[in-house]
Amino acid sequence: DIVMTQSPDSLAVSLGERATIKCKSSQSISKNSNNKSHLAWYQQKPGQPPKLLIYWASTRESGVPDRFSGSGSGRDFTLTISSVQAEDAAVYYCQQYQSPPPMFTFGQGTKLQIK
Amino acid sequence: QVRLQESGPGLVKPSGTLSLTCAVSGGSISDSYWWDWVRQPPGKGLEWLGEIYHDGRVNINPSLKSRVTMSMDQSSNHISLKMTSVTAADTAVYYCAREMSDQVVAFDFWGQGILVTVSS
Repeated sequence: DIVMTQSPDSLAVSLGERATIKCKSSQSISKNSNNKSHLAWYQQKPGQPPKLLIYWASTRESGVPDRFSGSGSGRDFTLTISSVQAEDAAVYYCQQYQSPPPMFTFGQGTKLQIK
Repeated sequence: QVRLQESGPGLVKPSGTLSLTCAVSGGSISDSYWWDWVRQPPGKGLEWLGEIYHDGRVNINPSLKSRVTMSMDQSSNHISLKMTSVTAADTAVYYCAREMSDQVVAFDFWGQGILVTVSS
């Protein structure tokens, strides 16, 4: 099975500064028929379900602020928040999909605190 | 706007069976989507349990294959999860979620989740 490892486990960023979260896969991430990587990012706040931020490694979900961006390919991916806001305090997860057989795997999560 | 709502017992005895239902509104489970279950132990990360398609095809996480079954009831627009022989390690918030599409294999809609505690 593919193992997804995020770094760091937690980080504290000052308001308005940049936050960078990395996700490394134990194997190269699979792609769809349009050559898009099956790599997504989620934000989870306490007591809430995860919220999809980014799919295909770099495509923002509708309604997600453009301060959130994703990049990467192969085994290494990054989520960047360009100018952190107070409401961005949350845990962030990366997620990959592989097939066959179908299997989803999440990273362990990165907790973002705002200084 | 699709909405998902999990329901079921919040407490299950060890060695018992966990049974949950996810009610889907604002859309039909007969549409061409995969519907999934994901769980999260308290204070921990996310684990995918499995998925079911509108035509009844099911894929289960290999680590849970011997204990998990999924089904759907199109007449009531529900999907269901059953997990047998539960232990304390199965204590978690259980979410149902929808995959966006075959091309975008990510979860765009989630239920609020239901906490299931395994304890005697």
